[in-house]
Amino acid sequence: DTAVSQTPKYLVTQMGNDKSIKCEQNLGHDTMYWYKQDSKKFLKIMFSYNNKELIINETVPNRFSPKSPDKAHLNLHINSLELGDSAVYFCASSQVQAGGGETQYFGPGTRLLVL
Amino acid sequence: AQSVAQPEDQVNVAEGNPLTVKCTYSVSGNPYLFWYVQYPNRGLQFLLKYITGDNLVKGSYGFEAEFNKSQTSFHLKKPSALVSDCALYFCAVRALHPPYNTDKLIFGTGTRLQVFP
Repeated sequence: DTAVSQTPKYLVTQMGNDKSIKCEQNLGHDTMYWYKQDSKKFLKIMFSYNNKELIINETVPNRFSPKSPDKAHLNLHINSLELGDSAVYFCASSQVQAGGGETQYFGPGTRLLVL
Repeated sequence: AQSVAQPEDQVNVAEGNPLTVKCTYSVSGNPYLFWYVQYPNRGLQFLLKYITGDNLVKGSYGFEAEFNKSQTSFHLKKPSALVSDCALYFCAVRALHPPYNTDKLIFGTGTRLQVFP
C-alpha cells in the first residue's frame, strides 16, 4: 500500500494554463508538505499544513495555492503556469513529535513540464 | 541560518569497496540531521537520522552515518557498495520556521553515487 501518493505522475501543459496536483497520505500523519525539485535536483520546501492549517509558506508566488480539505489530503493548484514552473513537485507527510525531528515521508513526485 | 553542504557532486566507487558521502552542517543549537536517497525517477526515501544519543546511526540498506560535532559533519557510509546503491543522496538539517517554530527540512544539493561493477 502506498503511504504517500500523488496524482498525476506526469503533467505536460501549455503556458498560461491552470493545473492541480493531488496528494494523499494513509499514514495518519497530521502534517503535510509540498516541495519543489528543480532541474538541478535542488529541493526546496514550498508549503506545510498541520491539521488543515497553513503553517509554512516559503515565499512562493501567489499563483500557487495549496488546499487541504482534510489532514490526509493536500492539493496544489497552480494558476497561469510559466515555463519556470517546470519541475518535480513532491508531497510529504510527518507526525509532529514533542521535541521535533520527525521523519518526513515523501510521495513519488509529479513531473510538471510547461511548454 | 541553518544549512547543509554536500561538497561532492558525484562519488565513484567500485562494487564491494567502502563508500562515504560527505555532509557538513551549520546550525544554531542542537542539529537534527537526515539522509535521504532518491533512485532514478522515484521519490525520496528516508535512510536515517540523528537527533541525539549515539554518534553512529544505523539506517536502511546497510547505510550508517557518523555525527561529528567538532567537525560539524554527518557523513554517510557503507562498508561494501552495491551497484544497486547507485542513486542521488541528500543530506538535510531541521530548521524551525516562524512563527510557530514548525519543523522544516533544509536540503543539501545532493551527491550522485556511482558504483562500478
